[in-house]
Amino acid sequence: EVQLVESGGGLVQPGGSLRLSCATSGFTFSSYWMSWVRQTPAKGLEWLANIKQDGSQEDYLDSVKGRFTISRDNAEYSLYLQMNNLRAEDTALYYCVRDIVGDIWGQGTMVTVSS
Amino acid sequence: DVVMTQSPLSLPVTLGQPASISCRSSQSLVHSDGTTYLNWFQQRPGQSPRRLIYKVSNRDSGVPDRFSGSGSGTDFTLKISRVEAEDVGVYYCMQGTHWPLTFGGGTKVEIK
Repeated sequence: EVQLVESGGGLVQPGGSLRLSCATSGFTFSSYWMSWVRQTPAKGLEWLANIKQDGSQEDYLDSVKGRFTISRDNAEYSLYLQMNNLRAEDTALYYCVRDIVGDIWGQGTMVTVSS
Repeated sequence: DVVMTQSPLSLPVTLGQPASISCRSSQSLVHSDGTTYLNWFQQRPGQSPRRLIYKVSNRDSGVPDRFSGSGSGTDFTLKISRVEAEDVGVYYCMQGTHWPLTFGGGTKVEIK
């Protein structure tokens, strides 16, 4: 069974940092692009970042470019999102998503940015 | 960015009756490779989004055949031939042709 399990969310102050992780299983991780998507009541679903199979290409939504970094460890079947200089508007449920066509989603991890 | 506009926002449906959701994009979703990357997702209450349809009209594995997708260019439709209770939730269209990838605002399907 294909599984994506996110972790690392929590409460952080504005300007702070968090690192999200996504542990995967049930498929050949190194064969797929991977992505992070977030969801808020106000803005809905936002596709934040993609990373190519070998990590050689990364794409970012403008609003997170320079603050967020997507990375992967193919040996560990894991995806990461390093989030720096967090703002209140980054408060959201963050999903790990397989591929750039979103065929499999994790259950999400909640990030709250507040003082 | 490509704006995806869905209608209606809310869709009350009688069990067993059909339902139709419209999605329009602000520019053509035909990729330079000739493929139209338009997907549909279902998000049931308390759950993560689940992809139903990819590349306009292809059903994902395990998706009931009462769901169908159609359209081209900038106009797309998701149809449910006979709504069942388990179909309650929010439906989103999403374009995968242009970066950044973008979603519609969602259509809430509920039972009358």
